[in-house]
Amino acid sequence: QVQLVESGGGVVQPGRSLRLSCAASGFTFSRNGMHWVRQAPGKGLEWVAVIWYDGSNKYYADSVKGRFTISRDNSKNTLYLQMNSLRAEDTGVYYCARGTIFGVANYLDYWGQGTLVTVSS
Amino acid sequence: DIQMTQSPSSLSASVGDRVTITCRASQTISIYLNWYHQKPGKAPKLLISAASSLQSGVPSRFSGSGSGTDFTLTISSLQPEDFATYYCQQSYSSPLTFGGGTKVDIK
Repeated sequence: QVQLVESGGGVVQPGRSLRLSCAASGFTFSRNGMHWVRQAPGKGLEWVAVIWYDGSNKYYADSVKGRFTISRDNSKNTLYLQMNSLRAEDTGVYYCARGTIFGVANYLDYWGQGTLVTVSS
Repeated sequence: DIQMTQSPSSLSASVGDRVTITCRASQTISIYLNWYHQKPGKAPKLLISAASSLQSGVPSRFSGSGSGTDFTLTISSLQPEDFATYYCQQSYSSPLTFGGGTKVDIK
């Protein structure tokens, strides 16, 4: 079965960096685009970034552009999110999610359990 | 960016009730609209893709409709396990955007 397991969250001071990982299993990782989505405490869902199945294209939310970098290692079935210059407003649970395109449908069909990032001095 | 507006933001309902949640896009998105629900402390779960396509394993009491800018999620007979927060999400263009959520709780 499809599994996505995030790691790397924690408490970090403003301005510092953190790298999240998402280990994938149960499907052919190199065939799917992958996303990061975050959720601030008590708030709704915010899409963060996507990387195409082969890493050839990457897109970011304006709120993280220039500070966050999404990447993947298809040989290790792992997705990453490098987060630099962290701000208090980056605090939240970060989910990795598998993207699937099927005909006219384009959706996030499997999600990890999330990893909590807290940016605080 | 395409803005997604859900209504209501919350509702109270009883088991067995018919529940309808609406989602409006700030511009036309064809049928590039997905619905998720999320229970406290859990990851979101995909319910419906492409506006009306029920995901495998999702009960048939869930249905979706709409195209263009206006969409609806309907639960025909609310069950105890359906109390959650529901989100719509457009995948027509980047950045992907979610609605603000509709919290469904017990009356």
